[in-house]
Amino acid sequence: DVKVTQSSRYLVKRTGEKVFLECVQDMDHENMFWYRQDPGLGLRLIYFSYDVKMKEKGDIPEGYSVSREKKERFSLILESASTNQTSMYLCASSLGAGGRRNEQFFGPGTRLTVL
Amino acid sequence: AQKITQTQPGMFVQEKEAVTLDCTYDTSDPSYGLFWYKQPSSGEMIFLIYQGSYDQQNATEGRYSLNFQKARKSANLVISASQLGDSAMYFCAMRKRTGANNLFFGTGTRLTVIP
Repeated sequence: DVKVTQSSRYLVKRTGEKVFLECVQDMDHENMFWYRQDPGLGLRLIYFSYDVKMKEKGDIPEGYSVSREKKERFSLILESASTNQTSMYLCASSLGAGGRRNEQFFGPGTRLTVL
Repeated sequence: AQKITQTQPGMFVQEKEAVTLDCTYDTSDPSYGLFWYKQPSSGEMIFLIYQGSYDQQNATEGRYSLNFQKARKSANLVISASQLGDSAMYFCAMRKRTGANNLFFGTGTRLTVIP
C-alpha cells in the first residue's frame, strides 16, 4: 500500500523558533511537494523537488526552505517561525512524467500553530 | 496564467441523490490533466478521478464521473447516489503545464450529505 508519512499531526511552536517538518514516502517517487492549506484559499504550493538535492520554488516560498538529501525524504524548514505561518501543511509525492502519473499521494498533514 | 475556479464554497445534497460540483479552468496549454481529490474531516487528501485533455471519453470511477466540456473549460465532478461518507471537502486540480509535475488546486467545495 502506497504511503506518505509526516513526522507530526499537531505541532505548537513559538515565534522565532526554527521548525522542521519531515515527510517520507515509500513509493520510490521522483517528485515531492509541500503545500499549505488555509480556509478559503485551497492548497498553495510552497516548494517541490523533482530529484535528490533538486528543488524549485512554488507559489509561496517566502519564509520557507526545503531539503532533499535522500529520495524518500523531503523536509520543510521554517527558519524563524511567525504567527502567519500557522496553517495545515501537506506533503505529497508523485511519479510524474505526464497523465495519471502526475497523481499526487498525500500525507495526513501537520497542523502547525505558532504562538 | 493557469487558474482553477470552484465557485461553490458549500453544497448540500440529500442522501441517495446525485450532486454536481463545479470546476472551471483556464490554460493556454493544449495538453493538461485534471484531477479531483476528496478531503474528509480527518484531513488526508484522497484521489478520486483523472481526466486528460486528449481523452475522448469522460472519466468514470465507480460512483464518480467527470463531466468534461473542453470548449467550455469545465470539469465538473458528478457523484451519484450520495452517501453520508461523501461529506467532505472536494478539490479540483490541474497539472500546470506540459512537462510540469506540480498541480494547481482550486479553493474547494464543502459537500454535506443530509440523511
